[in-house]
Amino acid sequence: TAGITQAPTSQILAAGRSMTLRCTQDMRHNAMYWYRQDLGLGLRLIHYSNTAGTTGKGEVPDGYSVSRANTDDFPLTLASAVPSQTSVYFCASRRTENTEAFFGQGTRLTVV
Amino acid sequence: TQLLEQSPQFLSIQEGENLTVYCNSSSVFSSLQWYRQEPGEGPVLLVTVVTGGEVKKLKRLTFQFGDARKDSSLHITAAQPGDTGLYLCAGPLTGNQFYFGTGTSLTVIP
Repeated sequence: TAGITQAPTSQILAAGRSMTLRCTQDMRHNAMYWYRQDLGLGLRLIHYSNTAGTTGKGEVPDGYSVSRANTDDFPLTLASAVPSQTSVYFCASRRTENTEAFFGQGTRLTVV
Repeated sequence: TQLLEQSPQFLSIQEGENLTVYCNSSSVFSSLQWYRQEPGEGPVLLVTVVTGGEVKKLKRLTFQFGDARKDSSLHITAAQPGDTGLYLCAGPLTGNQFYFGTGTSLTVIP
């Protein structure tokens, strides 16, 4: 089934450790995004990428980094996790502006 | 503070009642979208509005884009338990940044 795959689905991480959340899409969408969702409410943009080789900062980029080596993959790395990064992380992609955003199933991350 | 503020944050109503959810920003958007999210899932698109003043209807749901393209509303007529979920507005800004609103959690009680 075409779409976006995130891994892992959940993770418990010790504070200070690093971790990479994986995101892969097979729709050949140019734009990809990482969001975090706290308390089951709004999504906040962490980083985005308009096309392979380019990335940009969103609303809450501190403590996170991304790369976009090719069209399909957009990993999110936490270099040194802190408890405030406990959240549900969603990866999304869009073909162009004004088109639908498609989401992965999310990664539930708990930093202890 | 997020770019797109939604109100109310939580809404609990009886089946059959009407409701309106608001999405406001100080920024001008070329378009706004509304999504609905179920627990444990990613958001799913309901509608896209692109013209200031535009009104779109989707069965019992009516979406409006403000004339100045800074705000939008979602009106549900005769709410049903199946309408329960998290409603999110979203829109693009310069550089293809795509922002979501603060969310409105709706519970419709049978």
